[in-house]
Amino acid sequence: EAQVTQNPRYLITVTGKKLTVTCSQNMNHEYMSWYRQDPGLGLRQIYYSMNVEVTDKGDVPEGYKVSRKEKRNFPLILESPSPNQTSLYFCASTDRQGSYNSPLHFGNGTRLTVT
Amino acid sequence: AQSVTQPDIHITVSEGASLELRCNYSYGATPYLFWYVQSPGQGLQLLLKYFSGDTLVQGIKGFEAEFKRSQSSFNLRKPSVHWSDAAEYFCAVGSPTGANNLFFGTGTRLTVIP
Repeated sequence: EAQVTQNPRYLITVTGKKLTVTCSQNMNHEYMSWYRQDPGLGLRQIYYSMNVEVTDKGDVPEGYKVSRKEKRNFPLILESPSPNQTSLYFCASTDRQGSYNSPLHFGNGTRLTVT
Repeated sequence: AQSVTQPDIHITVSEGASLELRCNYSYGATPYLFWYVQSPGQGLQLLLKYFSGDTLVQGIKGFEAEFKRSQSSFNLRKPSVHWSDAAEYFCAVGSPTGANNLFFGTGTRLTVIP
């Protein structure tokens, strides 16, 4: 089954403790992206990757890092989480760079709470 | 700059009634427009999209949307709502030259009552 898998689904952590949210897709997609969803703000893009070893900042990249060493994986790293990063995070992928003909496929989300 | 406005935070309709969710966008040219649906605990799923051509587009699950350039709108409609349509709906706009970066609206939560 074609899917985007995020882990974990739920995560509670404390301020300053490094964490990684993993994202993996089995569709051989070139493009992958991370969004955060906050009440009243919709989804905002954090980082995206057009292909392996190619990443770029989205609209709200501060406090986050990403890497794209393999095509299928696109982990989101919070080096020193802070409470304002408490949010619902989504990973998404699609199969063509710069094209909207193929839809974004979303994972089921990771709900992160930073205390 | 691109932006999307969904003026209705929450809408309640009766099952079987018609539905219209509003979306207004701001963009200098004709944007690429999308509607996504998010069921509880799930990621987003594409309902329909508009790139060019016929301004009335059909999507999955019986939804349709109409692009109106003069009003900068892309409202989502369904003639008869089912209980399973209860979800959050997001309108999104993309630049034709963008790297698949979509700007999402803040969402409209739909409640369906029996």
